[in-house]
Amino acid sequence: EVQLVESGGGLVQPGRSMKLSCAASGFTFNNYDMAWVCQAPKKGLEWVATISYDGSSTYYRDSVKGRFTISRDNAKSTLYLQMDSLRSEDTATYYCARQGYAHGWYFDFWGPGTMVTVSS
Amino acid sequence: DIQMTQSPPSLSASLGDKVTITCQASQNINKYIAWYQQKPGKAPGLLIHYTSTLVSGIPSRFSGSGSGRDYSFSISNVESEDIASYYCLQYDNSWTFGGGTKLELK
Repeated sequence: EVQLVESGGGLVQPGRSMKLSCAASGFTFNNYDMAWVCQAPKKGLEWVATISYDGSSTYYRDSVKGRFTISRDNAKSTLYLQMDSLRSEDTATYYCARQGYAHGWYFDFWGPGTMVTVSS
Repeated sequence: DIQMTQSPPSLSASLGDKVTITCQASQNINKYIAWYQQKPGKAPGLLIHYTSTLVSGIPSRFSGSGSGRDYSFSISNVESEDIASYYCLQYDNSWTFGGGTKLELK
């Protein structure tokens, strides 16, 4: 059974940093691209970042470029999101998602999410 | 960037009704659209990918169709467990979600 479990969320002041982790199990982690998707309170879903299966390629939405860094440790089956220079508008639940492939890359499994609140 | 316009934002239905949600892309997305269901406090779950391919284990009352820029998602015979929010996702060029549709019981 595919399982994704995020951790590392909480309350952080504007301008500070936070690092999220996502522990994966139940599938061969290093065969899949992985992503982070966020959802602000009572709002819709937004793709944040994607990393290729081997970590060689990364992609970001414009609003986080230069501030967020997605990375992975395939030996530990773990995905990360380093978030720097945090802003109030980054407040959201952050989901780790596996990118499945069948006619294109979409998000096929999601973790339960971890809440990040950016506030002074 | 591709924009996804999803409508309606909310929908009220009776049990047994058929409901339809639409998503219009700002450009042709070549059928690369998926549909997700999200219940309060939970992560989204994948229902359909590549316009109309139903995920294993998802009931056949869920369906999708469309091409080019225009796509739709339907639930026939709405059941109480279908009360949730629904989102489309285009994955033809990067990834963009629609704004969501909240399905409520009439």
